[in-house]
Amino acid sequence: KQEVTQIPAALSVPEGENLVLNCSFTDSAIYNLQWFRQDPGKGLTSLLLIQSSQREQTSGRLNASLDKSSGRSTLYIAASQPGDSATYLCAVLTSGSRLTFGEGTQLTVNP
Amino acid sequence: DADVTQTPRNRITKTGKRIMLECSQTKGHDRMYWYRQDPGLGLRLIYYSFDVKDINKGEISDGYSVSRQAQAKFSLSLESAIPNQTALYFCATSDSKGQTGELFFGEGSRLTVL
Repeated sequence: KQEVTQIPAALSVPEGENLVLNCSFTDSAIYNLQWFRQDPGKGLTSLLLIQSSQREQTSGRLNASLDKSSGRSTLYIAASQPGDSATYLCAVLTSGSRLTFGEGTQLTVNP
Repeated sequence: DADVTQTPRNRITKTGKRIMLECSQTKGHDRMYWYRQDPGLGLRLIYYSFDVKDINKGEISDGYSVSRQAQAKFSLSLESAIPNQTALYFCATSDSKGQTGELFFGEGSRLTVL
């Protein structure tokens, strides 16, 4: 059974800092990995999707990497801003089109 | 307007009541999903449907049923609600033709069972 773990569970940083969120998964036979953002009381917004054949994806200040063999992904946020404060979730897609989620990292960026 | 719309957004009900959560999408996607989110447990899959005639159980389907009324509509029912079904429920869609497997989520339906 696929298990997804995100570390740390919570992170508080000053504005402007670069930061890394970590995601690990137990079964490397994945089709893709997706990073989401969730604001309080809101749904999930897709940030980046990395296919299993890819090593990284970039969107603006966000860069996500994937090392399938070691079962790890990182989400790098450059020059963090207070508006980046949210919970970040990673999810992996495995056989049967099942998406397994981590519990998320709650990020607070302080002005 | 949102591409994936859930109704109601908030609902408080009593134990034993029947509840239906509805989801409609304008993305033209063929696949639809229902998840629940609980603190400390993340999102867990309840049911999913790959087309109108295809319904599959997820990891926590007990106590729930679903109906795919049309490609754009997928509803989740709690036949007799119990307090441990208090959670935030999300509907999601994906497009099998897109081949990326990317999921798009609704805003969520917060259900409280007293």
